[in-house]
Amino acid sequence: LAKTTQPISMDSYEGQEVNITCSHNNIATNDYITWYQQFPSQGPRFIIQGYKTKVTNEVASLFIPADRKSSTLSLPRVSLSDTAVYYCLVGDPLNTDKLIFGTGTRLQVFP
Amino acid sequence: GAVVSQHPSWVICKSGTSVKIECRSLDFQATTMFWYRQFPKQSLMLMATSNEGSKATYEQGVEKDKFLINHASLTLSTLTVTSAHPEDSSFYICSAREQWKADTQYFGPGTRLTVL
Repeated sequence: LAKTTQPISMDSYEGQEVNITCSHNNIATNDYITWYQQFPSQGPRFIIQGYKTKVTNEVASLFIPADRKSSTLSLPRVSLSDTAVYYCLVGDPLNTDKLIFGTGTRLQVFP
Repeated sequence: GAVVSQHPSWVICKSGTSVKIECRSLDFQATTMFWYRQFPKQSLMLMATSNEGSKATYEQGVEKDKFLINHASLTLSTLTVTSAHPEDSSFYICSAREQWKADTQYFGPGTRLTVL
């Protein structure tokens, strides 16, 4: 299972764009990259998943360079409610049964 | 879609008693469910993988006789903390993988266990 490295914490202000980068140097060919958001005392919530290039949904974008050794979660115009811990995980969805969580990035959004 | 529920959302029990936590996939069938434990300010730690109709696979360091897992149907897995002690107090979270769609895991809301 590929190991991921993220910044422990980040600060931002309301209305700004936030980019959280995750390193996964040992990502395997069949691995996908998935990001989750977790609020205190709640289970993680799926945000976005991708394999390569760029993926966008209604809440975020995921940028994955050609070598796939890193990925960047982009949150446009954050609000106070985006204050949470964000986890980056990699794994082969067909052959890897389990997701191993790293430390995550604690994002604090200020007014 | 893809909703996972847990019951109870919180529980307080006396030391030495057993507590059962249920994890249900409400709108999909899950052949595989996972149980995690999370201590304050820490990340999720995988405890075990639960497969429908077979024995659970426990992670290293997790006592299988203390944390009993049963996955009797495609929509229900249970975690029983036997002879609970204060150090078992934690936030327990389950997740489920859809039967024919293995690319995403969906997490339950978690269960807060406090052992007095």
